Amino acid sequence: DAGITQSPRHKVTETGTPVTLRCHQTENHRYMYWYRQDPGHGLRLIHYSYGVKDTDKGEVSDGYSVSRSKTEDFLLTLESATSSQTSVYFCAISEAIAGDYNEQFFGPGTRLTVL
Amino acid sequence: GESVGLHLPTLSVQEGDNSIINCAYSNSASDYFIWYKQESGKGPQFIIDIRSNMDKRQGQRVTVLLNKTVKHLSLQIAATQPGDSAVYFCAESGYSTLTFGKGTMLLVSP
Repeated sequence: DAGITQSPRHKVTETGTPVTLRCHQTENHRYMYWYRQDPGHGLRLIHYSYGVKDTDKGEVSDGYSVSRSKTEDFLLTLESATSSQTSVYFCAISEAIAGDYNEQFFGPGTRLTVL
Repeated sequence: GESVGLHLPTLSVQEGDNSIINCAYSNSASDYFIWYKQESGKGPQFIIDIRSNMDKRQGQRVTVLLNKTVKHLSLQIAATQPGDSAVYFCAESGYSTLTFGKGTMLLVSP
């Protein structure tokens, strides 16, 4: 978890409310990722960023948006939270090097419960 | 325990045994593979990686084997310890993203 923090670590919210999760890194890595982790599904990519203001969708992007205005911060927003978005959310960072090699380092996670 | 462990295949071993965790990957074009360990309540931690031009790579107490013919990856842990109890994930790499397997839970009994 060194160099990556997530906030909040736990959140309980109600259906229909907006929620923003924050990922902060001190490693100056170019790539940042948001995953969700659910029983039976493993880690699934929501969105990722390959630079400031450069983002792309992952496997399960519906209902989520992201923003990256600074290298160190990557925000995940649930515009109108639903119970199906109850999950554990992980941020990851990576510094892509020459070729396709892409080791990612993960944050400690945020447990989100939508009632 | 962490809810991520529900519905996972589980490997139960005795302390001191060798453990082998298997993973099938899907994309024959993938050229980089990683094993992660996830302890309860924590984020995944990097264990070892291997490139597609290799068949085997060794670390401290861990070995990864890659069989590209059948798209199979395995993680071998020597002299398994109670601290090795965790969920283990394999991941295959595209250019800038990883695709994760669903994981295997390793339980080590003293």
